[in-house]
Amino acid sequence: EAQVTQNPRYLITVTGKKLTVTCSQNMNHEYMSWYRQDPGLGLRQIYYSMNVEVTDKGDVPEGYKVSRKEKRNFPLILESPSPNQTSLYFCASSLGAGTGIHEQYFGPGTRLTVT
Amino acid sequence: AQKVTQAQTEISVVEKEDVTLDCVYETRDTTYYLFWYKQPPSGELVFLIRRNSFDEQNEISGRYSWNFQKSTSSFNFTITASQVVDSAVYFCALSEVFPPVYSGAGSYQLTFGKGTKLSVIP
Repeated sequence: EAQVTQNPRYLITVTGKKLTVTCSQNMNHEYMSWYRQDPGLGLRQIYYSMNVEVTDKGDVPEGYKVSRKEKRNFPLILESPSPNQTSLYFCASSLGAGTGIHEQYFGPGTRLTVT
Repeated sequence: AQKVTQAQTEISVVEKEDVTLDCVYETRDTTYYLFWYKQPPSGELVFLIRRNSFDEQNEISGRYSWNFQKSTSSFNFTITASQVVDSAVYFCALSEVFPPVYSGAGSYQLTFGKGTKLSVIP
């Protein structure tokens, strides 16, 4: 089954404790992206990646890191989480931009709470 | 910079009524893509439609229809004969391509509106 998976689905952590949220897709998609969803703000793009070793900042990259060492994986790293990073996070993937921009397939979301 | 505005924060309709969700966008590009996504109460994001800037034809899919008007920078979504299962948050999104796409190259960023919460009351 074609899908985007994220782990963990729920995470409660404390300020400053480094964490990684994993994202993996099995559709051989070139493009992957991370979003955060906050009430009243909708979805905002954190980082995106056009392909392996190619990443770029979205609208709200501060406090986050990403890497794209393999095509299927795109982990989101919070080196020193803070309470304002409490949010619902979505990973997404899609075909690349070579033939036009395609719809994104979203993971199930990771609800992160930083205390 | 690209921007998407969904002015309707919440809408409530009675089942079987028609409802239109508004989406207005801003972009300096001549090549761009517009999307609608649905987020039901279960939380997942479901793709509904994609439209590129060169295709202004309206589209109908069952009870759903979309009206794309470049002259007013709008991409509105209408649900006819609404049902309780249509209750969800609906997001409009815009993607520009930068730099321009050449032989497979190109990069893009997707910007979402803040969403419209639709409640369909039985």
